[in-house]
Amino acid sequence: DIQMTQSPSALSASVGDRVTITCRASQSISNYLNWYQQKPGKAPELLIYEASRLQSGVPSRFSGSGSGTDFTFTITSLQPEDSATYYCQQSYTTPLYTFGQGTKLQIK
Amino acid sequence: QLQLQQSGPGLVKPSETLSLTCTVSGGSIISRSYYWGWIRQPPGKGLECIGTVDYSGSTYYNPSLKSRVTMSVDTSKNQVSLKLSSVTAADTAVYYCASLFCGGACYSAYFDYWGHGTLVTVSS
Repeated sequence: DIQMTQSPSALSASVGDRVTITCRASQSISNYLNWYQQKPGKAPELLIYEASRLQSGVPSRFSGSGSGTDFTFTITSLQPEDSATYYCQQSYTTPLYTFGQGTKLQIK
Repeated sequence: QLQLQQSGPGLVKPSETLSLTCTVSGGSIISRSYYWGWIRQPPGKGLECIGTVDYSGSTYYNPSLKSRVTMSVDTSKNQVSLKLSSVTAADTAVYYCASLFCGGACYSAYFDYWGHGTLVTVSS
């Protein structure tokens, strides 16, 4: 099975900051990597698919990059409403889809 | 835009069967581009994909749950269902249904619409 490891597990940043979260796959997954945002008590929401494609309606301050085993999710100019947990998810081993353990982002 | 409405009991006794239904609106579950997935999240923990089903009833289950899971579709009602048998306290979680968009043999696949989630507690 492919393991997805996110880092850090938690971070705190201020409004306006640039924030980066990393997701590493235990083997190459090409660009089949998606990112979700989950706010407390809510379902996850798709932000980025295929590593770098922005889902319709998602603000442009969110972006993703990477391929192979190493991926990066970035929020430029952090906003208060970005406080959430972020998950990566690989689809390379279709139909067995696995998520990273999550990164909890808090606003200072 | 798809909307997924979940229904089912929030409390299940140990050893019994958990049953949830997801009613899809805003589109048909009969689609070559979409599969229908169930994902669960134990309290305070991460996301686990339970499995997926397509409109024809073809299923894939997470190997860790395969012996206890059954997913099905009712195209006449535009519904997808999940059954998990012989539940224990370890199955206590929020259960989500979600639409899985598949492109190109499903290597590119992502959950783009989600139900609101159902907290299922396993307790006597």
